[in-house]
Amino acid sequence: AQKITQTQPGMFVQEKEAVTLDCTYDTSDPSYGLFWYKQPSSGEMIFLIYQGSYDQQNATEGRYSLNFQKARKSANLVISASQLGDSAMYFCAMREGADSWGKLQFGAGTQVVVTP
Amino acid sequence: EAGVAQSPRYKIIEKRQSVAFWCNPISGHATLYWYQQILGQGPKLLIQFQNNGVVDDSQLPKDRFSAERLKGVDSTLKIQPAKLEDSAVYLCASSWRDPDTQYFGPGTRLTVL
Repeated sequence: AQKITQTQPGMFVQEKEAVTLDCTYDTSDPSYGLFWYKQPSSGEMIFLIYQGSYDQQNATEGRYSLNFQKARKSANLVISASQLGDSAMYFCAMREGADSWGKLQFGAGTQVVVTP
Repeated sequence: EAGVAQSPRYKIIEKRQSVAFWCNPISGHATLYWYQQILGQGPKLLIQFQNNGVVDDSQLPKDRFSAERLKGVDSTLKIQPAKLEDSAVYLCASSWRDPDTQYFGPGTRLTVL
């Protein structure tokens, strides 16, 4: 069964606007971590933001914030004030288990294109 | 601080040939991962090392894929013999210790003809 679901295959967003990328996850483990990575056309996966299942507050890193809704098993990424350099594939990922060797499981990704 | 290094960046081979990829993790990172990313999909973990020991290789096709990290630093991933469906980007990542955040290299794009 798919552990991470990203329902938006592609999105266009205008420069300076905010964009929300959807991510839902499936786990029965009470302890897990959620990650967002950016993959530009160069291919490298760039870590953006992390949210732990026990974290009380939503994670933020600069223009990135994670809208964590635990009951809905949702971990949407919000990019504020989009820039042309934000054009890339964005992947949501989950690691199950606390301080364990749980592997990172990725969704299929969302392609974001920022237009002037 | 230098990032994760991988070589080669691109490789084209015929099916049934062999190929090897090299990865040098971030200095001091004990955990090293190899992922396979097929076009249009997210990365899939192939193997995870903690120092020079294997932690998870449950998704590694062991009949044709092998990996080693002999001195707990560099790692090599080998495919022998390659199949058409092995065409993918092979990503190496490292972390200071699991379950810390993983940092990825630029990947090796393999095309099998």
